[in-house]
Amino acid sequence: DGGITQSPKYLFRKEGQNVTLSCEQNLNHDAMYWYRQDPGQGLRLIYYSQIVNDFQKGDIAEGYSVSREKKESFPLTVTSAQKNPTAFYLCASNHGYTEAFFGQGTRLTVV
Amino acid sequence: GESVGLHLPTLSVQEGDNSIINCAYSNSASDYFIWYKQESGKGPQFIIDIRSNMDKRQGQRVTVLLNKTVKHLSLQIAATQPGDSAVYFCAEASTGANSKLTFGKGITLSVRP
Repeated sequence: DGGITQSPKYLFRKEGQNVTLSCEQNLNHDAMYWYRQDPGQGLRLIYYSQIVNDFQKGDIAEGYSVSREKKESFPLTVTSAQKNPTAFYLCASNHGYTEAFFGQGTRLTVV
Repeated sequence: GESVGLHLPTLSVQEGDNSIINCAYSNSASDYFIWYKQESGKGPQFIIDIRSNMDKRQGQRVTVLLNKTVKHLSLQIAATQPGDSAVYFCAEASTGANSKLTFGKGITLSVRP
């Protein structure tokens, strides 16, 4: 059945490492988004993409990178430049002027 | 009261009462609005949406009101149930190039038995 899948559910990163979070959707949605959520806080936009091979920075893009080589996939890399990466990361997708569907999130912890 | 900064404000209601959750948005160009519900450790789930050519929309037990003059959005939940306890977010978007979905800070709804 259709949906948006994030993996892994839990991820541990050593300081100085880059890690990549996966987001895949089979909803044929054009737009995809990455949000960061810290405990007890709202969702902050990291990057978004309206179309394949194009993406824009959100409000907190520093220390993150993305790619959009395929419509179905929008991986997020948390680089060593991100000084405080421990958070809950949410990926979403939508099509045109409709509600966004969310994945179940990846909880990233620095160890 | 409103919490500025890190933590989400909380709304506490008695089971069976109606809940009203408010949201102020900042972008006057926004023309599409959505309410989401997020349970602990999960991704947000769609509740109801409204476009800027409307000022009210009703779903099952929920109603969204939009006041574009003061840039205010509200979610009304009728006969609140324990299962409604969650964090609620409003989101806004505008048409045009590079349109993005931006979320409000969120409010925690706590239902007292």
